[in-house]
Amino acid sequence: NAGVTQTPKFRVLKTGQSMTLLCAQDMNHEYMYWYRQDPGMGLRLIHYSVGEGTTAKGEVPDGYNVSRLKKQNFLLGLESAAPSQTSVYFCASSPEGRTNEQFFGPGTRLTVL
Amino acid sequence: KQEVTQIPAALSVPEGENLVLNCSFTDSAIYNLQWFRQDPGKGLTSLLLIQSSQREQTSGRLNASLDKSSGRSTLYIAASQPGDSATYLCAVRPNNFGNEKLTFGTGTRLTIIP
Repeated sequence: NAGVTQTPKFRVLKTGQSMTLLCAQDMNHEYMYWYRQDPGMGLRLIHYSVGEGTTAKGEVPDGYNVSRLKKQNFLLGLESAAPSQTSVYFCASSPEGRTNEQFFGPGTRLTVL
Repeated sequence: KQEVTQIPAALSVPEGENLVLNCSFTDSAIYNLQWFRQDPGKGLTSLLLIQSSQREQTSGRLNASLDKSSGRSTLYIAASQPGDSATYLCAVRPNNFGNEKLTFGTGTRLTIIP
């Protein structure tokens, strides 16, 4: 099992450009999450999904959109990137949200110039 | 608003010593607490998950305790090894159903000196 994988690993964007980050998990987990990690601020939840076809807002959803068309994939989109979105993005999955632990991917380092 | 604090931010200890990492949280209405380790440039690896009804969990040389009423958790590492060097994060899940927001601490960077 590959666990949770993220594509790409690194990306540099110019302000105003768009991009999509892909998260894939092969553990048949129902719940998937997108976080961002910034120095001194800990990880913050952007959006999450409790199952195929569902999405919900987390703590810092502005400027991002997500889709969960297939159970194994969770996409994070930036429609018009801003320098404030420079961060490390982590995807995680969980068999079921509340009781179970979350499993994290390796992260995507995004720089917006 | 839940706040999670981990003190100290960095800790260095000689190899072989036992050590304790601390995590405190302001709102005791939690569902569970999870400890992670993060290696530089890597993702988070789950170490232990403690449900609110539990007092402790153990895995190998790791033991995590939870005192919900006082808003504290500790991660005890026995017989530390250089491979234990990493940043350790704790995160709490709120008690209210449907709230998926984990609140993370900013971590303790642990260095084990050979």
